[in-house]
Amino acid sequence: QKEVEQNSGPLSVPEGAIASLNCTYSDRVSQSFFWYRQYSGKSPELIMSIYSNGDKEDGRFTAQLNKASQYVSLLIRDSQPSDSATYLCAVGSGAGSYQLTFGKGTKLSVIP
Amino acid sequence: GAVVSQHPSWVICKSGTSVKIECRSLDFQATTMFWYRQFPKQSLMLMATSNEGSKATYEQGVEKDKFLINHASLTLSTLTVTSAHPEDSSFYICRAGSVAKNIQYFGAGTRLSVL
Repeated sequence: QKEVEQNSGPLSVPEGAIASLNCTYSDRVSQSFFWYRQYSGKSPELIMSIYSNGDKEDGRFTAQLNKASQYVSLLIRDSQPSDSATYLCAVGSGAGSYQLTFGKGTKLSVIP
Repeated sequence: GAVVSQHPSWVICKSGTSVKIECRSLDFQATTMFWYRQFPKQSLMLMATSNEGSKATYEQGVEKDKFLINHASLTLSTLTVTSAHPEDSSFYICRAGSVAKNIQYFGAGTRLSVL
């Protein structure tokens, strides 16, 4: 059974600091990796996708993927209170990476 | 604007009644629809996957006769919760995808409260 593991948190960081979110997955043939942000009572919002080993940067967000270690992370630089949310790691497989397996999410709190 | 429209956003119903939730892809043809359920402080749980024109594939433990999924067109899928009970109260979210365009989007979700 495919599994995606995340630390549930809460992870608390001061405003302006770097928040580091981690995720491990069990299925070695996984091909795509996603980070979603979910505010309370809202549906998930895609913030990053990564498909190959290494780093991918988009604004204040950096996703890191290490397929050998089956590990993917998300760094949020200059954290803002508006970043406070639950971050879901999702791992995709199948054609078009449709089949997503979600982790339970890490709750991030950015303290002003 | 939203590329996947999900309605209603919130519904309250009496126990024993049925509730229909609609999910529409606005700017693309969704070859595949996924339906999720999320209980408070828990992650998304996949309920079923449906391809246009085909019967939905349900995840283990999800009653197909209780959660009716219809994906009759490339832009519309519906989830009907039949004979709803309080334990069905949850946040239901659809996700629409297109293989051709390699895109996928979540709907805004539906909060169901069964009294």
